[in-house]
Amino acid sequence: ETGVTQSPTHLIKTRGQQVTLRCSSQSGHNTVSWYQQALGQGPQFIFQYYREEENGRGNFPPRFSGLQFPNYSSELNVNALELDDSALYLCASSPIGGGGNEQFFGPGTRLTVL
Amino acid sequence: GQQLNQSPQSMFIQEGEDVSMNCTSSSIFNTWLWYKQDPGEGPVLLIALYKAGELTSNGRLTAQFGITRKDSFLNISASIPSDVGIYFCAGPSANAGGTSYGKLTFGQGTILTVHP
Repeated sequence: ETGVTQSPTHLIKTRGQQVTLRCSSQSGHNTVSWYQQALGQGPQFIFQYYREEENGRGNFPPRFSGLQFPNYSSELNVNALELDDSALYLCASSPIGGGGNEQFFGPGTRLTVL
Repeated sequence: GQQLNQSPQSMFIQEGEDVSMNCTSSSIFNTWLWYKQDPGEGPVLLIALYKAGELTSNGRLTAQFGITRKDSFLNISASIPSDVGIYFCAGPSANAGGTSYGKLTFGQGTILTVHP
């Protein structure tokens, strides 16, 4: 069974640029959630995708957007990057048919905005 | 919004000692999750609790869902060096829209250091 994978591992961007992060969910999981983890803090929920549609959103501006594909993989896009967007971005998936609160996380993408 | 407060913020213990940490909330949670995060990695689920008063073990780890549904506790017995890491409590957010499944609110973490 393959776990959650994310790419790239690390990324450096400059203020104002756009970035796309990618996530492949764990085998058998159809729901993908994205979290932002600033240094020294717990992860913060950005949004969740289920059946290729956004299914709930945390307190993040519209320049954070996402997609889910038919194979359940997902992308997180951030436009007009700001210095405060520097963080570890985590993708988590949960299984089909329940246990949806049990989120299984990938290793994350470390984004640095200069 | 919902907030989870973890204590202590950090712990320095000797190998072999038992560890206790807790998580409190101002609002009721129907699920409590405990995660561990190692440096450079994503959080790993340790224990999930679904019923008030529930006590669940996973090896040397034991967690309890508080009766008031506003708190949870995690205990680690006979700590070993590989227990080092950051421990997070988490629960499903009530205000993120859609269904609440999987939209987790996390505490700020308890940093555990184990001296050999």
